[in-house]
Amino acid sequence: DAKTTQPPSMDCAEGRAANLPCNHSTISGNEYVYWYRQIHSQGPQYIIHGLKNNETNEMASLIITEDRKSSTLILPHATLRDTAVYYCIVRVPTGTASKLTFGTGTRLQVTL
Amino acid sequence: DSGVTQTPKHLITATGQRVTLRCSPRSGDLSVYWYQQSLDQGLQFLIQYYNGEERAKGNILERFSAQQFPDLHSELNLSSLELGDSALYFCASSPGSLGANVLTFGAGSRLTVL
Repeated sequence: DAKTTQPPSMDCAEGRAANLPCNHSTISGNEYVYWYRQIHSQGPQYIIHGLKNNETNEMASLIITEDRKSSTLILPHATLRDTAVYYCIVRVPTGTASKLTFGTGTRLQVTL
Repeated sequence: DSGVTQTPKHLITATGQRVTLRCSPRSGDLSVYWYQQSLDQGLQFLIQYYNGEERAKGNILERFSAQQFPDLHSELNLSSLELGDSALYFCASSPGSLGANVLTFGAGSRLTVL
């Protein structure tokens, strides 16, 4: 799996958009970008994934640059409940051996 | 509720003892993964099973073992426990086949070794 680089921490005001960056300059053509988050001591929660097109679901949007070397997770209207550690993971999704390798992630603090 | 069930939620035991953690995957998922998260540490991959067979191994100690049964539930056995084994243990499951293969995590089992 390609290595990812994320800022260790970020702050965001409640109601504002939270933009979490991720660098994955060594990503290969068949690797997808996945985002998970872990709210204090709970099990990690899947947020979104994508290959090269921008993706949006009910939780967030994922913007992937054209060269695929970086991406941004966008939480459009952050709430206090979005305070968590956010993990950007790059991996090939298919096959029967497809574990996730978690890095240190970005600790997002949403404040009033 | 993620659909992945882990028991027990909490477990307190003594050094040298042996414990078993249990995981029931989401309905229809064939792959089960085990992760360890020590206090203020990252999530460390331990081992993965797919339809009863071991598929990938991470930093799992020799004192730890796991298996996946025909009904697809999995057990993680931790023996000769040490203080440093105190951690959250998460189980995840995935379809394990084609497609996005998203992992769904359980709520975890918190092990405290005294």
